[in-house]
Amino acid sequence: ILNVEQSPQSLHVQEGDSTNFTCSFPSSNFYALHWYRWETAKSPEALFVMTLNGDEKKKGRISATLNTKEGYSYLYIKGSQPEDSATYLCASSYNTDKLIFGTGTRLQVFP
Amino acid sequence: EPEVTQTPSHQVTQMGQEVILRCVPISNHLYFYWYRQILGQKVEFLVSFYNNEISEKSEIFDDQFSVERPDGSNFTLKIRSTKLEDSAMYFCASTLGRVQKFFFGQGTRLTVV
Repeated sequence: ILNVEQSPQSLHVQEGDSTNFTCSFPSSNFYALHWYRWETAKSPEALFVMTLNGDEKKKGRISATLNTKEGYSYLYIKGSQPEDSATYLCASSYNTDKLIFGTGTRLQVFP
Repeated sequence: EPEVTQTPSHQVTQMGQEVILRCVPISNHLYFYWYRQILGQKVEFLVSFYNNEISEKSEIFDDQFSVERPDGSNFTLKIRSTKLEDSAMYFCASTLGRVQKFFFGQGTRLTVV
């Protein structure tokens, strides 16, 4: 059974702090790693899709890295803002159609 | 930006009743999915649909479940005889390709009583 783990489960930071979360996934037959941002009562919003070892992607203050050999990805948020408060989900895929999701990291940014 | 829309947003049904959850994926997308999240658990894959047929399904997707894309725009999930354990948030998603971003709908919260 393929299992994707995320840590921490939740995080409370002050506005302006930088933060990062981890996603661990089985590296065998790895295909792609997805990061989603999910605000309450909204649909999950795609942040990044990464496939290659060493990939780094950036969108504004948010960036992500990928290590396919050891099976982990980091998501970084620089200078957190209250509007960054959301659950951040990662999901991996393995030569099949389905995404396997982690439990998510719930981020709360206090003003 | 184009979006995936789902209806209804919330459905309450009696155990044993049939429900149909509806989704309108993004029009030029090729792959379509249903996922669900039972409260407190991970988002889990149900089924994928490509080229007018199921391409993959999970163990959860038994004979009680079916999907259809009847008219080239709607994508439906039918549960024939609902059980209490089918209570969950059901998400529809679509994508251009398997390594492209998935676009998710806002979900339908299904409550079986």
